[in-house]
Amino acid sequence: DVKVTQSSRYLVKRTGEKVFLECVQDMDHENMFWYRQDPGLGLRLIYFSYDVKMKEKGDIPEGYSVSREKKERFSLILESASTNQTSMYLCASSNSGPTQYFGPGTRLTVL
Amino acid sequence: AQRVTQPEKLLSVFKGAPVELKCNYSYSGSPELFWYVQYSRQRLQLLLRHISRESIKGFTADLNKGETSFHLKKPFAQEEDSAMYYCALGSSGSARQLTFGSGTQLTVLP
Repeated sequence: DVKVTQSSRYLVKRTGEKVFLECVQDMDHENMFWYRQDPGLGLRLIYFSYDVKMKEKGDIPEGYSVSREKKERFSLILESASTNQTSMYLCASSNSGPTQYFGPGTRLTVL
Repeated sequence: AQRVTQPEKLLSVFKGAPVELKCNYSYSGSPELFWYVQYSRQRLQLLLRHISRESIKGFTADLNKGETSFHLKKPFAQEEDSAMYYCALGSSGSARQLTFGSGTQLTVLP
C-alpha cells in the first residue's frame, strides 16, 4: 500500500518567513507533485519532479521553489511567505502510470 | 491547453435518489480521465478511471468523446457518498501530470 506522508498537518507562519513543507513517499515512485487546494479552484499544480534533482514548473509556481535531493523526498519552499499563500498543500506521487497517490495535506496559515 | 470543468460546486440529493456529477474536458489528444474523491478528514484518493471501465462503490463514469464529458453516476445515493469529488484529466507528457476540475461537494441527505 502506497504511503505518502507530509511533515505537518497544520502550520502557522508569519508574513516574510521562509517555510518548508516536506513530503516523503515509500514506494520508490519516480514522480512527485505539489498542489495547493483552494475552495472553488480545485487542485492547482505548483511544481513536480520526475527524477532526483529534476523539477518542472506547474501552473502556479510563482512564490515557490522545490527541492528533490533524494528519490523519496520532495520539499516545497516558500521563500518569503505571504498571506495569499494561506492554503491546503497536497503532495502526491506516481510511478510510470498517471494514477497519483496523495498525502494527507498540510494546512498552512500565513498571518 | 487542457481544461476540466465541473459546473456544480455543490450538489445535494436525498438518500436513494440517483446522482450525476458533471465533468467536461478540453484536450486535443486522446484523453485519460479520472474521478478522485475526498471524504471528510481523509486524503484525496482515486475513485475510478475511464480506462478501467469498472464500477467502484456503485459509481460508474462513461467517457463521451463526442460531448467531451465524463460524468460520474450512481443510481442510488448513500449517505456515505457525501464527499468532495474531483474530475481529472491526464496528460501524456513527462510525469503524466493531472489537470483537476474545481470539484463538486456532494451531500446526500437522509
